[in-house]
Amino acid sequence: RKEVEQDPGPFNVPEGATVAFNCTYSNSASQSFFWYRQDCRKEPKLLMSVYSSGNEDGRFTAQLNRASQYISLLIRDSKLSDSATYLCAVNYEDTDKLIFGTGTRLQVFP
Amino acid sequence: GAVVSQHPSWVICKSGTSVKIECRSLDFQATTMFWYRQFPKQSLMLMATSNEGSKATYEQGVEKDKFLINHASLTLSTLTVTSAHPEDSSFYICSALDRRSYEQYFGPGTRLTVT
Repeated sequence: RKEVEQDPGPFNVPEGATVAFNCTYSNSASQSFFWYRQDCRKEPKLLMSVYSSGNEDGRFTAQLNRASQYISLLIRDSKLSDSATYLCAVNYEDTDKLIFGTGTRLQVFP
Repeated sequence: GAVVSQHPSWVICKSGTSVKIECRSLDFQATTMFWYRQFPKQSLMLMATSNEGSKATYEQGVEKDKFLINHASLTLSTLTVTSAHPEDSSFYICSALDRRSYEQYFGPGTRLTVT
């Protein structure tokens, strides 16, 4: 079983739609959680950290469920510019290493 | 946010040759940097953790004698792919850990093609 798993998609949604991605992790010692966005042939860029109480940044909402060991990302009112691959990443207690999921590809169409 | 550069951005080399990739943190000191590899349509796979002034820590399955890492200063880590083979062709990305925020900043990546 992979340490961090995501549905690879692609998710094809119309502009304005709401879309949600889930990411599961296997190591219960995971301490910090992140969502990254990666455009084609580019490096990943941090979208948002995920806090225990959940957090929101504009149209983006991230949630953490420690009991079930998953994190989620909700994108409301999708824009064409949201088309990208979304990667979740976790790191473990006492380490600085980030372990990435396989990424979920989102394609927003007009 | 902080800036991390990588050089070169792309390189083509022949089988059997060695290629060096540089990763620099431009506006902060990074005692810890990371090297990743990404094959098409796959995720980033951590290869090794580069520690300033000490040996790199390699992930399981990554050959340390093939992928030489040197972190000789607080702003520079290098990855040398030795005796490159076509299967080493990939997108190599570094990141630098800014301990002021504990955030990792990624370089723009280096696309390596081995012919």
